[in-house]
Amino acid sequence: DAGITQSPRHKVTETGTPVTLRCHQTENHRYMYWYRQDPGHGLRLIHYSYGVKDTDKGEVSDGYSVSRSKTEDFLLTLESATSSQTSVYFCAIRAGTSPGGAQYFGPGTRLTVL
Amino acid sequence: AQRVTQPEKLLSVFKGAPVELKCNYSYSGSPELFWYVQYSRQRLQLLLRHISRESIKGFTADLNKGETSFHLKKPFAQEEDSAMYYCALGGSNYKLTFGKGTLLTVNP
Repeated sequence: DAGITQSPRHKVTETGTPVTLRCHQTENHRYMYWYRQDPGHGLRLIHYSYGVKDTDKGEVSDGYSVSRSKTEDFLLTLESATSSQTSVYFCAIRAGTSPGGAQYFGPGTRLTVL
Repeated sequence: AQRVTQPEKLLSVFKGAPVELKCNYSYSGSPELFWYVQYSRQRLQLLLRHISRESIKGFTADLNKGETSFHLKKPFAQEEDSAMYYCALGGSNYKLTFGKGTLLTVNP
């Protein structure tokens, strides 16, 4: 499992509340990613990080922010959750040296916004 | 731009039958291609990568640059192969582009 954990694993929240999801890795990988998984859409990249304090947007970044103050932790924040952000969120790390190399995924967080 | 197309959302076969999950890609450079598998409510797991040319759980995939395809094949499907399968492309930008996935059901 490449030493990747996510917390919480399940969360139910109400519209308009802030939510922070945590991804933790134990193997000192430089690149970390946040995806959301929705039926009919597959996996879509939200944000990614290429080092401490270095982050960039993915294809569905609106309504999300990220932070990475330590190599091992990558946080995803929904500033004001909406029902359209109900989804399963996966964190991933990139292993190896190739730019197009494989990614390894965490167990996911199932978020429901009521 | 990177694009991955998995034309079948759903694929249903009987146990023991051959299975082929299709993947086509669009990329102007030299891609790295992968197949991931996701069993029910679990994390995505890397199944195959084209550069290693390996067989995992009886699955193989060959990169066909002329047809820009990377189809996943297994000669004899098993019930435990039932899962969601994603094809993914890695380019020079440190990101993976995923297809929308194919849900494989293997019936007894």
